[in-house]
Parts: sequence; C-alpha cells; structure tokens
Amino acid sequence: EAGVTQFPSHSVIEKGQTVTLRCDPISGHDNLYWYRRVMGKEIKFLLHFVKESKQDESGMPNNRFLAERTGGTYSTLKVQPAELEDSGVYFCASSQKPGTNTGELFFGEGSRLTVL
Amino acid sequence: DQQVKQNSPSLSVQEGRISILNCDYTNSMFDYFLWYKKYPAEGPTFLISISSIKDKNEDGRFTVFLNKSAKHLSLHIVPSQPGDSAVYFCAAKILSYGKLTFGQGTILTVHP
Repeated sequence: EAGVTQFPSHSVIEKGQTVTLRCDPISGHDNLYWYRRVMGKEIKFLLHFVKESKQDESGMPNNRFLAERTGGTYSTLKVQPAELEDSGVYFCASSQKPGTNTGELFFGEGSRLTVL
Repeated sequence: DQQVKQNSPSLSVQEGRISILNCDYTNSMFDYFLWYKKYPAEGPTFLISISSIKDKNEDGRFTVFLNKSAKHLSLHIVPSQPGDSAVYFCAAKILSYGKLTFGQGTILTVHP
C-alpha cells in the first residue's frame, strides 16, 4: 500500500512568486493534515481536513496560504505571494479517525520550500 | 506559546548504553502522547505512544514513561544502536481531536 506522497520534494522560488504543494494521502484516510518545520524548530500544525472540509485551520499563518482538498482526496497548499519567512519543510500527514487509540499520523517525506 | 518542549537539542550516547530523551508539556488537556523518529530527508515515523491513563508503555527496546503530575514524559532506548541515530520528536494530542502538537526535536547520535 502506498504511503503519503508529496510533490515537489524541493522547490526554489523567488520572493513574490507562487508555489503549489501537493499531497496524496493514504487511500481511505479521511483526515489530512499540513504541518511546517522551519529551520530546525518544532513541527508546527497548519491545518486539518476531514474529507473535503476544513476541520481546523488555526495554524495557517496568514491569507497568503490557501489549502484545498477538492473531492476529499488529494490536497494542495498554495503560497501566494511567497515571502522569505515561508521557507521550510512542509509535511503532509494522514490518518483514519482522530479518536482511535493510536492517534497515529502517517507523514509524507515533506516538500522543502526555499524562498530567495 | 509552545505547549510541548524538548529542552535538549542533542544527545550523544555510546552504542549499547541507554538513551533517555525528555519532553515536557504545559497543556493539561493532552491525554495522548507519541514519539516520532525522523531521518534526514524523510518524514517523521511513529515510534511509540502512551495514553494518559498509563505511566509506562514498552515496545522492544523502546519504553515511554509518563509523569502526569510533572507533565513530563521520557523515551528510553536500551540498548542504543547506531541505527537509532535520528531526530526524535515528542508529540501530544487531545484524543478526540486530530492534530498533534510537536516539540522541537532532539538529535540523537549513537556512536559505535
């Protein structure tokens, strides 16, 4: 069974440009999460989808970030326009039900974004 | 305000000895705790977890201890192996919610 896949693995753009990151969760996982890790700091929550609905978007830094999950399958995270501080590794994760005993999230390998 | 903290950025241990990684949290609503391991250029992978109703959970060489009154948990790896060298993240959640709150990570290096 395929794990969580993310694309691209690395993106280098200039300040002011637009980047779109894509995440394909594990098949059958209704819950999809975006996280970001900046410069060796903590892995910070951005938002949580349940199917196509945004369950929690409290971690989104500002309105330059737009996440979508049309049809409840794959998700995209768009940054427009990108700023220097947006550089970091963006992780996507998926899970079955939040209330399950394991509480485990399955992570993708991440998309590294470098804004110059 | 960081709710989960790993105050040791790095830890170096000799192969065969015990590795102890520590984690503190501030939110008393957290009722489930997890440890994730991350190799370079890979995503975090689940290692072990513990519910707040327990104080210990063991899985092979890995044991997690939870001290609720101190809001502290630790991960013990015995014996440590060079392949355990990675970044270890502590995470916490409220079980009915999906999201995990992570610490900053501790870089573990196990020397042969």
